[in-house]
Amino acid sequence: AQSVTQLGSHVSVSEGALVLLRCNYSSSVPPYLFWYVQYPNQGLQLLLKYTSAATLVKGINGFEAEFKKSETSFHLTKPSAHMSDAAEYFCAVSPYSGGYQKVTFGIGTKLQVIP
Amino acid sequence: DVKVTQSSRYLVKRTGEKVFLECVQDMDHENMFWYRQDPGLGLRLIYFSYDVKMKEKGDIPEGYSVSREKKERFSLILESASTNQTSMYLCASSSRLARGGGVQFFGPGTRLTVL
Repeated sequence: AQSVTQLGSHVSVSEGALVLLRCNYSSSVPPYLFWYVQYPNQGLQLLLKYTSAATLVKGINGFEAEFKKSETSFHLTKPSAHMSDAAEYFCAVSPYSGGYQKVTFGIGTKLQVIP
Repeated sequence: DVKVTQSSRYLVKRTGEKVFLECVQDMDHENMFWYRQDPGLGLRLIYFSYDVKMKEKGDIPEGYSVSREKKERFSLILESASTNQTSMYLCASSSRLARGGGVQFFGPGTRLTVL
């Protein structure tokens, strides 16, 4: 069984401030982990993914996430928020194994960027 | 540019109507998915298909059926629409070769309102 918990359904930051979106996961086997972003009136698109190659993963638009096995966390960060970062962010997990494996999504965190 | 398209962005139907939501992908992906997205609940998997004419139930299949007659096309059917099926519906696809960590590519979504 696997699950994802995103802490904070809404997060507000000032433009230029650090963005930190929290994600904790539960998985009975080593996981793949993802962050997706959904801009208003659009589908989800991949921001970054962890596949065990490196614990610090860099994604698009200056975002990065660090896999911490001891804390079962995969928090998303960006040093300086931009107005265009306002969107909803989803953390997701799937088991690290072959064939099709179900991806479980978190409930999402809406990021508001204040000018 | 890879693409997943959905037949409608907005749809309004009446209770009891049969509703078809169509999804087409141009990436030659084996796996296709239908999710519904509701505030506070994130994405929930309705059905997925890993090959033509194959389908598997997701977490919330009740009230829905699917059809996959061609590799690129995956249809979601609401046999008799009800108001509690008012939601955003997202289609996605992924490559079987990507193993458990396969990135899913999403369509823009269909916002369905059932009156």
